[in-house]
Formats: sequence, structure tokens, C-alpha cells
Amino acid sequence: NAGVTQTPKFQVLKTGQSMTLQCAQDMNHNSMYWYRQDPGMGLRLIYYSASEGTTDKGEVPNGYNVSRLNKREFSLRLESAAPSQTSVYFCASQDHRPVMNTEAFFGQGTRLTVV
Amino acid sequence: KQEVTQIPAALSVPEGENLVLNCSFTDSAIYNLQWFRQDPGKGLTSLLLIQSSQREQTSGRLNASLDKSSGRSTLYIAASQPGDSATYLCAVRPRGSRLTFGEGTQLTVNP
Repeated sequence: NAGVTQTPKFQVLKTGQSMTLQCAQDMNHNSMYWYRQDPGMGLRLIYYSASEGTTDKGEVPNGYNVSRLNKREFSLRLESAAPSQTSVYFCASQDHRPVMNTEAFFGQGTRLTVV
Repeated sequence: KQEVTQIPAALSVPEGENLVLNCSFTDSAIYNLQWFRQDPGKGLTSLLLIQSSQREQTSGRLNASLDKSSGRSTLYIAASQPGDSATYLCAVRPRGSRLTFGEGTQLTVNP
């Protein structure tokens, strides 16, 4: 029972490089999220997707793009990495329906350093 | 805008002590509230989920309460152990479906 799987676990990028963080869930959840976690700032929402094919900006979307190609996968792309994007990135999924309240499940995180 | 506050930011207790972690939120229109545990360098592990219609949930030595009208939740840990040392986060799920997190309480249980 894998839950939420993120790849890679660690990554070092040079300023200006691009990369995609991958996330997949096997719980048939319709909602998926990308957060970043920084010391003293807690978890901040970057983007979320309420269902396949839909995405919405969160609190800190600048410098990121996302893609929800199918129900299982939600990827986060950094087009031109900046040192300010050094952070730990978490993907999460949850079942979101009007009368069904379920737990959110998180991946183990991607530790990204931009030099 | 929903805001979530956790007090205290850090807590250090001797082993065996009962303790309470606090979470407050500004908008009471929530679907549920969830408590998580995060170990250093790891992801978040769900501890308890309280639906908006519930007053409390229990799991082993953990008990979480919810008072929606006052915008408060508490996480009670009984007979604390060194293995309970971690950061505890609360998150609320407003009607807009986005989880909103507090900054967490860093708990240290000393042997």
C-alpha cells in the first residue's frame, strides 16, 4: 500500500535550471496538493487540483507550474529555478466530496537545493 | 482568509507527563480538522481526523477535541514517551477544500 509517492527525494539544481517533481497516489483520491515547507513559515500551498484536469493557485504559485494529466498523478515544474525555491516540497492527496470528509495523506517530501 | 495558530511553538517535558497542544483557527466554517506528526526530515503522518460534527477523537494515548464555535482544538497526549518527540501540526479543511496548516508545536520528551 504505497499511498503518496514523490520522486526524487533529493535534488540539487543550479540557478536557471528546470526540473519536474513527480507525485502519484494510489488511493483514488480526487484532490491533490503541492506544498512547500520552510523554517519559520510552516507549510504553504503552492497549487492544488480538485479533480483531474483542473488546477488552482494556492498561496505561493509564482515560479511554478503544475499538471494533473490523470487522477493518479500531479506534477510540479520549476521552469527556471531560483535560490528562493530551496525548500522541502510535499505532495498530498485527499478525497474531496460534499458529504465525505477524509484524511489527507502526504508523501515523504523532496528536498530541493538551488545553488 | 483562514488562519491557524498553534501554541506553544515548542514544548519540553519529562517522560510520563500528560500534555496538551493547542490549535486555534479564525473561520469556523470547516469540514474537518486533522492532527499530524512530523519527524525530522520526514513527511507528515496523520494522527487524528475530527469531522466538523464531532467533538473529539481518540487513538491510543492521543485524544483530540474540537470546539468549532470558539475555533479551537486541543491534542492531549497521555503518559508521554521519548518516542513522542516530533513536530505536531494541525490543519483545517475549510469549505473551499484547501488544507490550511498551523506552524506546528515542536515537542521534546526527555527520558
